[in-house]
Amino acid sequence: GAGVSQSPSNKVTEKGKDVELRCDPISGHTALYWYRQRLGQGLEFLIYFQGNSAPDKSGLPSDRFSAERTGESVSTLTIQRTQQEDSAVYLCASSLAGQSDYGYTFGSGTRLTVV
Amino acid sequence: GEDVEQSLFLSVREGDSSVINCTYTDSSSTYLYWYKQEPGAGLQLLTYIFSNMDMKQDQRLTVLLNKKDKHLSLRIADTQTGDSAIYFCAESQYGNKLVFGAGTILRVKS
Repeated sequence: GAGVSQSPSNKVTEKGKDVELRCDPISGHTALYWYRQRLGQGLEFLIYFQGNSAPDKSGLPSDRFSAERTGESVSTLTIQRTQQEDSAVYLCASSLAGQSDYGYTFGSGTRLTVV
Repeated sequence: GEDVEQSLFLSVREGDSSVINCTYTDSSSTYLYWYKQEPGAGLQLLTYIFSNMDMKQDQRLTVLLNKKDKHLSLRIADTQTGDSAIYFCAESQYGNKLVFGAGTILRVKS
């Protein structure tokens, strides 16, 4: 597609439930990133996929968080047993590997609210 | 580890210049970026600079890089109300895993 697409745009869930967030990167972008933005804060790196390499999971805050990516396409971020502190906007971005001068293209994010 | 810091808030009058500052700690940073985030929207890449440059100009935007002091700034000339947004500084090594600052809220008063 023309841009990075994320769904749902908003999600309200009860504490303790699992949620799954989806990201469709720009076609042909081999690199995909997930970030979290808490209210009034900067972006916190979560996970990075690059082609068929093992993902960089160093930013995942706990083992309740996991992410998968099928080939060079869709990625899903799963949060198990959600907690109130998981409430944030989850942003996905993609880029062409090696094209550092373009930075990333971000999606509009999924706003997650845990009640 | 890597760290990027920015001032939290800047208020300017319409027509004045805005200067948003950023410092970073990773001396091996190769690219430095400025992103803009408008309310309810995703992040938009404004401009970037490679670490072997010290200045880059793009229309109303001027980026200055002092690599020795690890200091980056974004100057917006003739600031307009449409420039009101949060501005994020970010750094990376060869385009991998951008590390972002907490963002600077720019408020433009008419």
